[in-house]
Amino acid sequence: DAGVIQSPRHEVTEMGQEVTLRCKPISGHNSLFWYRQTMMRGLELLIYFNNNVPIDDSGMPEDRFSAKMPNASFSTLKIQPSEPRDSAVYFCASSLTVQAFFGQGTRLTVV
Amino acid sequence: AQKITQTQPGMFVQEKEAVTLDCTYDTSDQSYGLFWYKQPSSGEMIFLIYQGSYDEQNATEGRYSLNFQKARKSANLVISASQLGDSAMYFCAMRGKTSNTGKLIFGQGTTLQVKP
Repeated sequence: DAGVIQSPRHEVTEMGQEVTLRCKPISGHNSLFWYRQTMMRGLELLIYFNNNVPIDDSGMPEDRFSAKMPNASFSTLKIQPSEPRDSAVYFCASSLTVQAFFGQGTRLTVV
Repeated sequence: AQKITQTQPGMFVQEKEAVTLDCTYDTSDQSYGLFWYKQPSSGEMIFLIYQGSYDEQNATEGRYSLNFQKARKSANLVISASQLGDSAMYFCAMRGKTSNTGKLIFGQGTTLQVKP
């Protein structure tokens, strides 16, 4: 089992550009989470999908952020336009029953 | 609303001693799960231990045990015989057990440093 796969691992982009982060959950898992981690705000839940349906997106900071899960094996988190304050590590996690398994994260730097 | 509180930003412990990391939570759900994750300096999130709200016994996994006090809404992590490799950030987390309440939320974390 390859685990949760996130790409890219590192992303450096200029302010105003569109950024797309990708996540492949573990096969068979029915829940998917996107998190943002910063020193100031800790580990924030951005959005939670269950069976590909967004259940709770109350953590999405603003309209510049959007997330999709077109099928059970793929999800994206898009930031458009990106801003320097979006710089953070973004984690994707998936779960079937209880335990959530995390990807390695994407370190995003917006300059 | 669900909330996790970790009041200890940083902790020190001597190698081979035990340490307790505090976690309190708030939820209106009757059925939920409590978790602890470890994040070493390399950044990955490592699952340590799980406790269900209806589990009568405290969960244990090797040197990790979860001191679950439901009435006080606390789920403290106890690490016995600390090792240098235990130095990391530790997160307490909670999750409801239905599809609508199943979001996994985390506390602010506690940084643990183990001294030789």
